[in-house]
Amino acid sequence: QLHLQESGPGLVKPSETLSLTCTVSGDSISSDLYYWGWIRQPPGMGLEWIGSIYSGGSRYYNPSLRSRVTISMDTSKNQLSLRLNSVTAADTAVYYCARQRDYFDSWGQGTLVTVSS
Amino acid sequence: NVLTQSPGTLSLSPGERATLSCRASQSVSSNYLAWYQQKPGQAPRLLIYGASSRATGIPDRFSGSGSGTDFSLTISRLETEDFAVYYCQQYGTSPFTFGPGTKVDIK
Repeated sequence: QLHLQESGPGLVKPSETLSLTCTVSGDSISSDLYYWGWIRQPPGMGLEWIGSIYSGGSRYYNPSLRSRVTISMDTSKNQLSLRLNSVTAADTAVYYCARQRDYFDSWGQGTLVTVSS
Repeated sequence: NVLTQSPGTLSLSPGERATLSCRASQSVSSNYLAWYQQKPGQAPRLLIYGASSRATGIPDRFSGSGSGTDFSLTISRLETEDFAVYYCQQYGTSPFTFGPGTKVDIK
């Protein structure tokens, strides 16, 4: 059974870099059937797609975040990573990783990241 | 492609029919539209993809329809566990975008 688990610091200071990992079990992120994506949700608000990565290395990002975001994968660990630079309070959100067949068919439980000094 | 959902909140009783609307600012390529359900403190759950195909394990009281710019999600008879927030999402064009959500609460 597929399981995705996000992990990383719950508190990041303004102007620093947010770094999260998503550990996938029950499926291989090397599979050429899927992309793997990151989505975030500010408290009490809606969902925003951050970006996605394919096993072949293709990445695509939301233009609104492209200048600050990097998504990568470590196939040996079956993990995805998200880095978001120069964070502000507006980046405070629950961050989700998800398996993507264009639509997002399986999600992690999410992890709350708060940007505050 | 900006998605608009209506109504913002829908207050209904168990057993009633719910109809949620999602409108896109541009035609959704290949009707690549999905619906998700989200309960408090939980991740979204995929209900519908391709505008009308139910995801694995989703009860048949959930149905999706529509094409082009106008889509809808119908819950034929509301069960207690269906009271939640529902989001539409288009994946026909990058950047993938979500609607603001419709909250279905108990009347």
